[in-house]
Amino acid sequence: QKEVEQNSGPLSVPEGAIASLNCTYSDRGSQSFFWYRQYSGKSPELIMSIYSNGDKEDGRFTAQLNKASQYVSLLIRDSQPSDSATYLCAVRRASGYALNFGKGTSLLVTP
Amino acid sequence: DVKVTQSSRYLVKRTGEKVFLECVQDMDHENMFWYRQDPGLGLRLIYFSYDVKMKEKGDIPEGYSVSREKKERFSLILESASTNQTSMYLCASRRQGATNEKLFFGSGTQLSVL
Repeated sequence: QKEVEQNSGPLSVPEGAIASLNCTYSDRGSQSFFWYRQYSGKSPELIMSIYSNGDKEDGRFTAQLNKASQYVSLLIRDSQPSDSATYLCAVRRASGYALNFGKGTSLLVTP
Repeated sequence: DVKVTQSSRYLVKRTGEKVFLECVQDMDHENMFWYRQDPGLGLRLIYFSYDVKMKEKGDIPEGYSVSREKKERFSLILESASTNQTSMYLCASRRQGATNEKLFFGSGTQLSVL
């Protein structure tokens, strides 16, 4: 099985700081990469998708992709307590339809 | 907005019972998925279906089967429930070819097998 690796955390950052979440993947043929956010007791929801090397920005979120290093990251600027959640990195399999998910990084933003 | 509905939020079953988990989506999505989520193990793919009557095994299909007779409905079947199948089960759907490939998740079914 192709792996998606994330630090489990918890990652604790003060309100207003930048939170940096990292992910590595093993399937070199993967072309589609995603970040999902999951609040406690809720289902995952998509916050970012990225397909090309480089940065993609959407509001306070920036996804970064480096296919040569097989590395994906998510930066959250001006972190808010409402950003406290588990962030799941997901990679679409080169072989087809399904996504592989990492185990998630727990983020805690402290006021 | 897309709605993915799972039939039960909480379910308690006995070892050996046959268990049916139902999932219905209302946006004519081609692809549907069943994942289970366990603490420390993350989301693991059980089965998926890329269209009606089509199905493929995921990473942990043992002890499970699926049915997709209609496009909107994807059922997960536990043939003979065991305690190690106690888990949160999440159904998801996706429009094939969608630009952002967004997965829409149901609210989950917490299954306890006693």
